[in-house]
Amino acid sequence: GQSLEQPSEVTAVEGAIVQINCTYQTSGFYGLSWYQQHDGGAPTFLSYNALDGLEETGRFSSFLSRSDSYGYLLLQELQMKDSASYFCAVRVPYSSASKIIFGSGTRLSIRP
Amino acid sequence: EPEVTQTPSHQVTQMGQEVILRCVPISNHLYFYWYRQILGQKVEFLVSFYNNEISEKSEIFDDQFSVERPDGSNFTLKIRSTKLEDSAMYFCASRGTSGRTHEQFFGPGTRLTVL
Repeated sequence: GQSLEQPSEVTAVEGAIVQINCTYQTSGFYGLSWYQQHDGGAPTFLSYNALDGLEETGRFSSFLSRSDSYGYLLLQELQMKDSASYFCAVRVPYSSASKIIFGSGTRLSIRP
Repeated sequence: EPEVTQTPSHQVTQMGQEVILRCVPISNHLYFYWYRQILGQKVEFLVSFYNNEISEKSEIFDDQFSVERPDGSNFTLKIRSTKLEDSAMYFCASRGTSGRTHEQFFGPGTRLTVL
């Protein structure tokens, strides 16, 4: 089967840095995405990595190592509004095209 | 900023009834998707749609489900005979072909409750 593993919960302090890891086992791989979802809200795209290395977008960075089937999302200068669930998602070959498989999500709680 | 919209925000129905969930994707997008999220669980892919036909569908998307783009703006998901286990949040998403082409824009979702 295909699976993604990420921690279910992470707690961090406002202003600090937090890293959310994701490991995957899939049949094929095109790329790794990260989505943010606030309670009751829709997923919001954060980043996409198709190649090894670090992608930086403001306070958020995402890293991928294809050889290790591993990636992470790094959030810096944490703010209270960053409290949300974060999903890693892998694009995999499916039939004649592709589909996205989501991880179970990591609930990030920020305390003052 | 353009956004994906979905109606209704909440739909309550009796088991066995048909429901149609509606979505208006971002106007210049060409790829459309439906996902569902059972309360407290992860987002699950249902179906993708491109060039007026289904491009991919998951194991969840059985004969009870269908999608349609009845006009140039709407994208619908129909469940023919709802079951209790269909209760979930249903998200529509769309994706463009320029700029950040891997970014899927999600709508706010329709919460479906089957009684």
